[in-house]
Amino acid sequence: GAVVSQHPSRVICKSGTSVKIECRSLDFQATTMFWYRQFPKKSLMLMATSNEGSKATYEQGVEKDKFLINHASLTLSTLTVTSAHPEDSSFYICSARGPWEGETQYFGPGTRLLVL
Amino acid sequence: GQNIDQPTEMTATEGAIVQINCTYQTSGFNGLFWYQQHAGEAPTFLSYNVLDGLEEKGRFSSFLSRSKGYSYLLLKELQMKDSASYLCAVMDSNYQLIWGAGTKLIIKP
Repeated sequence: GAVVSQHPSRVICKSGTSVKIECRSLDFQATTMFWYRQFPKKSLMLMATSNEGSKATYEQGVEKDKFLINHASLTLSTLTVTSAHPEDSSFYICSARGPWEGETQYFGPGTRLLVL
Repeated sequence: GQNIDQPTEMTATEGAIVQINCTYQTSGFNGLFWYQQHAGEAPTFLSYNVLDGLEEKGRFSSFLSRSKGYSYLLLKELQMKDSASYLCAVMDSNYQLIWGAGTKLIIKP
């Protein structure tokens, strides 16, 4: 299957700082990338969908000014958590998909964020 | 509304067979996915069904009945490393993935 990387895998930051998470598709062109958040023992929660070269589409209840998403190329999307607070601590996972809407999503390894 | 149902937790014995069921009610259907997720890790793709029937892939098989809104994941010759959560997800008419809550599978020696 396709390979998706995510960096960093783990980050600890102080409250009020911003954190950037990168998601890269290593061996295919990802027209669409997805950002998920997962709380312990809970299912995935879709935060936003980003298409290369256009603005991300955010799910209801997700603050777009707090979770900035940039999908500047077919292999890279970034999620920036701005002015992080302890309640933003979570497991953030990206996934990538090729140009066909019915294609499988392949997941990155996830980023564990802890805000102190 | 859209709904995916799967059991919360199942227990099975090493070497045995287990079937994890998933029922769904969604706005349209463009395929059903099964993912495996080990604790603390991201999901990994297991299977995709869009037509009725059984798809076999090694020790894992996935079945779909679109008329019944039903799928199952069958795991044979269970190994301890199969202990994980198994997520069922359906792609709706807008090509959005609707996720089940996952089934935690516990394998006992």
